Amino acid sequence: GAVVSQHPSRVICKSGTSVKIECRSLDFQATTMFWYRQFPKQSLMLMATSNEGSKATYEQGVEKDKFLINHASLTLSTLTVTSAHPEDSSFYICSAREMTSGLSSYEQYFGPGTRLTVT
Amino acid sequence: GDSVTQMEGPVTLSEEAFLTINCTYTATGYPSLFWYVQYPGEGLQLLLKATKADDKGSNKGFEATYRKETTSFHLEKGSVQVSDSAVYFCALLGQGGSEKLVFGKGTKLTVNP
Repeated sequence: GAVVSQHPSRVICKSGTSVKIECRSLDFQATTMFWYRQFPKQSLMLMATSNEGSKATYEQGVEKDKFLINHASLTLSTLTVTSAHPEDSSFYICSAREMTSGLSSYEQYFGPGTRLTVT
Repeated sequence: GDSVTQMEGPVTLSEEAFLTINCTYTATGYPSLFWYVQYPGEGLQLLLKATKADDKGSNKGFEATYRKETTSFHLEKGSVQVSDSAVYFCALLGQGGSEKLVFGKGTKLTVNP
């Protein structure tokens, strides 16, 4: 099946620094990638949708200047948390949608997540 | 807008017990329905899906039937194992190829030996 990887799996950074998280589709091309944030014991909150070669579409309430998303190729999207603060500590999960026809093209494959801790 | 409501947990069962996690949805038209599972410290894995009314999704002993009349997609397993301990999310994808998955809040299942 389709595999999505994320790097790093865990990161600890100091307040005020920036952190980049990578999301890669390993064995398929992804026209669209999604970034989610998950708070402890809660569901996933969609942060933004990124399409290769175009600007990301952010959900209401998500600061686009703080959470920079770049979808540079059909296999890579990055999320950069700029000037991170402790309240940004969370579990960030990406997913990718395969570039094929049919209903399966709408299925999202999820990465393993990145645990960000800001001290 | 579209929404998913699933039973609140946590759910604690003994091994070999029967499992039901309720899920109902609100959506226009005919959404696709999914169950995802999240093991501790990991991302989500697709467990099963159904794309039209009366479809039954099944995988690893889990089943769920798309019931249009009751707008439900309840997850069931006849005999749970300790390894099934995880958080289960019900989700829908709107009709017409909407990109956004709408998730329920998740139900944590713990299976004791």
